[in-house]
Amino acid sequence: AQSVTQPDIHITVSEGASLELRCNYSYGATPYLFWYVQSPGQGLQLLLKYFSGDTLVQGIKGFEAEFKRSQSSFNLRKPSVHWSDAAEYFCAVGPRGGYNKLIFGAGTRLAVHP
Amino acid sequence: GAVVSQHPSRVICKSGTSVKIECRSLDFQATTMFWYRQFPKQSLMLMATSNEGSKATYEQGVEKDKFLINHASLTLSTLTVTSAHPEDSSFYICSALGQGSNTEAFFGQGTRLTVV
Repeated sequence: AQSVTQPDIHITVSEGASLELRCNYSYGATPYLFWYVQSPGQGLQLLLKYFSGDTLVQGIKGFEAEFKRSQSSFNLRKPSVHWSDAAEYFCAVGPRGGYNKLIFGAGTRLAVHP
Repeated sequence: GAVVSQHPSRVICKSGTSVKIECRSLDFQATTMFWYRQFPKQSLMLMATSNEGSKATYEQGVEKDKFLINHASLTLSTLTVTSAHPEDSSFYICSALGQGSNTEAFFGQGTRLTVV
């Protein structure tokens, strides 16, 4: 079955600390991979995506993610978290070719302490 | 990025009534729109895919007569929850996809529906 697992429901970090949000997926073939961020009352905003090529992808707001095929993982990282990064983060996968039929993880809520 | 506007952001309705949610692409033509539903502390679940001018394709388990989707123009899709019941209370969110391969899909801000 196709699925996305985000093991951490809630994470709290101090401002300036590094961050890693985990994402594992189960999919029949190598999918397209995405990370979205959702602030309260806002729609989902695309942080970054992996389609092919370099497995370390850079996104907006200083985020990056690394695709590891052997581990079926696509973990999101940021070297230094800012208070404005507090939000809900969703990992998603979809079939190659576009943004159709995305399967989302349950999300990880990030809290940032000053 | 492109803007997708979803309206209303919150709605409370009585059981048995119908509620319409609009999803508009403000600065691009959306050939395809997706409707998702999100239960508290759960992931977004795709309900249906609609293409402009044709019938929506519903995911397994989604009642098409319950959740009516119309995509009559390249900038507007609507989701109507008919004869709403408390179990329909949820967060509904749309995304709109422009033309071309690998075009990014942009999300609306979502609609919180509460049926009382």
